[in-house]
Amino acid sequence: GAGVSQSPSNKVTEKGKDVELRCDPISGHTALYWYRQSLGQGLEFLIYFQGNSAPDKSGLPSDRFSAERTGGSVSTLTIQRTQQEDSAVYLCASSLANGGRETQYFGPGTRLLVL
Amino acid sequence: GESVGLHLPTLSVQEGDNSIINCAYSNSASDYFIWYKQESGKGPQFIIDIRSNMDKRQGQRVTVLLNKTVKHLSLQIAATQPGDSAVYFCAENRNSGGYQKVTFGTGTKLQVIP
Repeated sequence: GAGVSQSPSNKVTEKGKDVELRCDPISGHTALYWYRQSLGQGLEFLIYFQGNSAPDKSGLPSDRFSAERTGGSVSTLTIQRTQQEDSAVYLCASSLANGGRETQYFGPGTRLLVL
Repeated sequence: GESVGLHLPTLSVQEGDNSIINCAYSNSASDYFIWYKQESGKGPQFIIDIRSNMDKRQGQRVTVLLNKTVKHLSLQIAATQPGDSAVYFCAENRNSGGYQKVTFGTGTKLQVIP
């Protein structure tokens, strides 16, 4: 595909369950970001992958949150033991990361609702 | 501390008028700035960018101005149209410890009045 894709587009889960959110970045993009966006709010940085370097996990809000990026392409964000406050839109973005110009291309997001 | 913030959370503009959306940043090490537009139900989309060695850059109906002296960034939209209604985010980018650190502002909602 031409853009960043995310799945599922919507996810409803019960409190305490684990969820996995998937991101397929643009082919060739070495950088991948995850953000969280609550209703009517800005973007909250979660985690950043750059090539084979160790990811920047400084934005993960708790140890219930984790992410992987396999083969430098697809990424999965996992939330364990979900809480109602985890309800938000989770956005993924990728970029070429060439020489510092970090224009990010965003996916449509996954809307997570924890009941 | 470091921050990227917007002066106005909501801006209402008459169709056809010009819009100006402002952004303040505090990290002088930032060397690249980007404006994104987010329409309802979608992810943010790139509009225009500017490097720190420039003070103005123009695109189609949009202009970004950078004032490094007062750490201020603005997005000007000429002849605002209903399709411009969205939330606009500024973002600052800098290299930190080998990583590219991107910080987004809180966003300004632009409402275009027909």
